[in-house]
Amino acid sequence: SQKIEQNSEALNIQEGKTATLTCNYTNYSPAYLQWYRQDPGRGPVFLLLIRENEKEKRKERLKVTFDTTLKQSLFHITASQPADSATYLCALATGSARQLTFGSGTQLTVLP
Amino acid sequence: NAGVTQTPKFRILKIGQSMTLQCAQDMNHNYMYWYRQDPGMGLKLIYYSVGAGITDKGEVPNGYNVSRSTTEDFPLRLELAAPSQTSVYFCASSYEGINYGYTFGSGTRLTVV
Repeated sequence: SQKIEQNSEALNIQEGKTATLTCNYTNYSPAYLQWYRQDPGRGPVFLLLIRENEKEKRKERLKVTFDTTLKQSLFHITASQPADSATYLCALATGSARQLTFGSGTQLTVLP
Repeated sequence: NAGVTQTPKFRILKIGQSMTLQCAQDMNHNYMYWYRQDPGMGLKLIYYSVGAGITDKGEVPNGYNVSRSTTEDFPLRLELAAPSQTSVYFCASSYEGINYGYTFGSGTRLTVV
């Protein structure tokens, strides 16, 4: 069956360190993968998109990698800040209408 | 720009009642989606639309209906509400190209008692 798994439901790191979140998937062949941030009581906010033929994408302190052989994406936040504390969702494009299938998310807490 | 607007923000329904969750976007996006999110779970796709007059089922469509008479509006109808429909509902929209992410609304928190 198709599955998207994000590493550990919760991740705590110290301010200034690099946070690394993992998204693994099985039985999908996504054309691209997206990462979203969700704060409590709010809708997800789009952060980054990476295509299947791209190895790495960067945006300010964010970096995403996509390995279609390992069926894995890594999401890095460098020089993390308490304001980065949120739940981060990965999503795969799985249909002709760009329908996204979401992982259950990783709750990141950056400790001051 | 307002983006994606969802109403109401909160609602309590009794079992068997019906209601419509409203969703409107002002970005001229052709693609629109309805998701539900249960605690600790990922977002599950209920219905989606690629343009006015075109709708299709997602992963969990049972108990719901949608319509898309205009580009801007994509209401979600719950008929005969059940406790299993207690959830947070998110509407989203996007452009057609693959370089774009979704824009989500702020959600409707629905409780069925």
